[in-house]
Amino acid sequence: GESVGLHLPTLSVQEGDNSIINCAYSNSASDYFIWYKQESGKGPQFIIDIRSNMDKRQGQRVTVLLNKTVKHLSLQIAATQPGDSAVYFCAESRSGGSNYKLTFGKGTLLTVNP
Amino acid sequence: EAGVVQSPRYKIIEKKQPVAFWCNPISGHNTLYWYRQNLGQGPELLIRYENEEAVDDSQLPKDRFSAERLKGVDSTLKIQPAELGDSAVYLCASSLPGQRYNEQFFGPGTRLTVL
Repeated sequence: GESVGLHLPTLSVQEGDNSIINCAYSNSASDYFIWYKQESGKGPQFIIDIRSNMDKRQGQRVTVLLNKTVKHLSLQIAATQPGDSAVYFCAESRSGGSNYKLTFGKGTLLTVNP
Repeated sequence: EAGVVQSPRYKIIEKKQPVAFWCNPISGHNTLYWYRQNLGQGPELLIRYENEEAVDDSQLPKDRFSAERLKGVDSTLKIQPAELGDSAVYLCASSLPGQRYNEQFFGPGTRLTVL
């Protein structure tokens, strides 16, 4: 069925290194993608988004890449810090009447080692 | 500015008991969502409100779940009776209305444990 999923459930990096978190989606109709960060005991927090008419979008220390050919999304975090330790979810949304509806993947746990 | 407020933060009940969760969205956010998040999973939408109207409750298990948003601001999600499988975090989110996607702001959630 249609789904948004993640390649790796856990990722451990050293402080200062760059992190890459991957996500695959199966529905070619998906045209809007969002990365969320969820710290323990908190709700998901918006990090960055990208629309399907773009391949790359940059924020502060984060970059999202979208490869529509292989239906792949990635989140790159530069100079990873201990405060980046959290679960990261990708989510998809589709234009049209249900443009509010987010479909979340399972999440990747990022652990930053000092 | 205050974020989305939820209470209680934690709730432990025995199966077959009723339980209710409360949410106060960000001021001015007419759209309110309730999600359920199982351990290790992403949130799944249960119901969406536009003001006081439930415009999408297709994922809400209506045999035991109910929700209301009587005055178009605060909302309550109820489960009666609770089952073991209802153990999860229940998240409330809010956003501005509109045709385009508007960022959803999530509350901290209520962690429900059904024994």
